[in-house]
Amino acid sequence: DIQMTQSPSSLSASVGDRVTITCRASQSISSYLNWYQQKPGKAPNLLIYAASSLQSGVPSRFSGSGSGTDFTLTISSLQPEDFATYYCQQSYSTPFTFGPGTKVDIK
Amino acid sequence: QVQLVESGGGLVKPGGSLRLSCAASGFTFSDYYMSWIRQAPGKGLEWVSYISSSGSTIYYPDSVKGRFTISRDNAKNSLYLQMNSLRAEDTAVYYCARGLNSGWYWPWGQGTLVTVSS
Repeated sequence: DIQMTQSPSSLSASVGDRVTITCRASQSISSYLNWYQQKPGKAPNLLIYAASSLQSGVPSRFSGSGSGTDFTLTISSLQPEDFATYYCQQSYSTPFTFGPGTKVDIK
Repeated sequence: QVQLVESGGGLVKPGGSLRLSCAASGFTFSDYYMSWIRQAPGKGLEWVSYISSSGSTIYYPDSVKGRFTISRDNAKNSLYLQMNSLRAEDTAVYYCARGLNSGWYWPWGQGTLVTVSS
């Protein structure tokens, strides 16, 4: 199985900050990497698919990059509604594993 | 609008069984693969099954293989998860999710809680 790691596991940031979250795969997954946002008590919501494609309806302050084993999710200017947990997921091979999550909270 | 609604969760004793359902609406259900994904309380996400649009291809991780069975009824726009030999570690919120192209999921249902406890 492909193992996914994320760093940091949590971070504190202020509104307006630029935030970067890293996801690493245990083997090359090309661009088969997706990012989700989850708020407390809610289902995850797709933000980025295929490493860098923005899902329809997602604000342009979210962006993704990377290929192979190393990927990044960037929030260019953190907004109050962005405080949440973010998960990466590989869809290169089954089982489609998720990273452990990165919790973004208010500084 | 595209919507997924899960049902069937509840409290079950270890070794027991439960069947989850997911009702789909707002899209052509038979065109999409589907998955069940779970989240234990306070934990991360775990993908627990995949079924192709026709139902001919199915995958499970080792953690549930042989105990869980995913199925679908395209005529009823419904997805199912039969869970047998349940264990305490199967306690989680179970989400159904629509699969898109190369393995990403949107949308997800609101989830249904399964609690395995004596």
